[in-house]
Amino acid sequence: QKEVEQNSGPLSVPEGAIASLNCTYSDRGSQSFFWYRQYSGKSPELIMFIYSNGDKEDGRFTAQLNKASQYVSLLIRDSQPSDSATYLCAVNNAGNSGGSNYKLTFGKGTLLTVNP
Amino acid sequence: DAGVIQSPRHEVTEMGQEVTLRCKPISGHDYLFWYRQTMMRGLELLIYFNNNVPIDDSGMPEDRFSAKMPNASFSTLKIQPSEPRDSAVYFCASSRYKLEQYFGPGTRLTVT
Repeated sequence: QKEVEQNSGPLSVPEGAIASLNCTYSDRGSQSFFWYRQYSGKSPELIMFIYSNGDKEDGRFTAQLNKASQYVSLLIRDSQPSDSATYLCAVNNAGNSGGSNYKLTFGKGTLLTVNP
Repeated sequence: DAGVIQSPRHEVTEMGQEVTLRCKPISGHDYLFWYRQTMMRGLELLIYFNNNVPIDDSGMPEDRFSAKMPNASFSTLKIQPSEPRDSAVYFCASSRYKLEQYFGPGTRLTVT
């Protein structure tokens, strides 16, 4: 059973702080990693993906991947109240250049609250 | 460009009735995914298609569930007969680059 684990939270941070969201996965063959943001009552929205070890930055968001330790994290700098949402981690083991498995396994998400 | 379109947005039905959920993927996307989301189980993949062909339906919970994709711009998920435990939000997602999936607004299904 391939599992993706996230702390359900809530994670509460003050406005302007760095929010750190973490995700661990059980399948060592996993190669592609995604972060989705889901506002209450809305659908998941893709915000970041990462395929290689290290950091990937996009605006206020940084995804960090450590395959040896089997964890992926999302940092949100200068957190805003509009960042308050549930963040879902998703994992795939097909790689980004081929393979026959395009299934994503999702964690249950971490609820982030940014306080003004 | 329009995103993924799903209908209906809300569905309330009685146990034993047939339910049909509809999805129109983003134009040009060749992968289509059906998910179910509940508080208890989170977001689960039910089935996905590539070029209108079902590739993996291992997530379909029972024979009461079936999905079709008759053409590149339309897919249905059918539940017959429906049961209260089927109550959930059902999402359709589509993808062009295989793994980067874009979700529709979802259908909230309530079975009484």
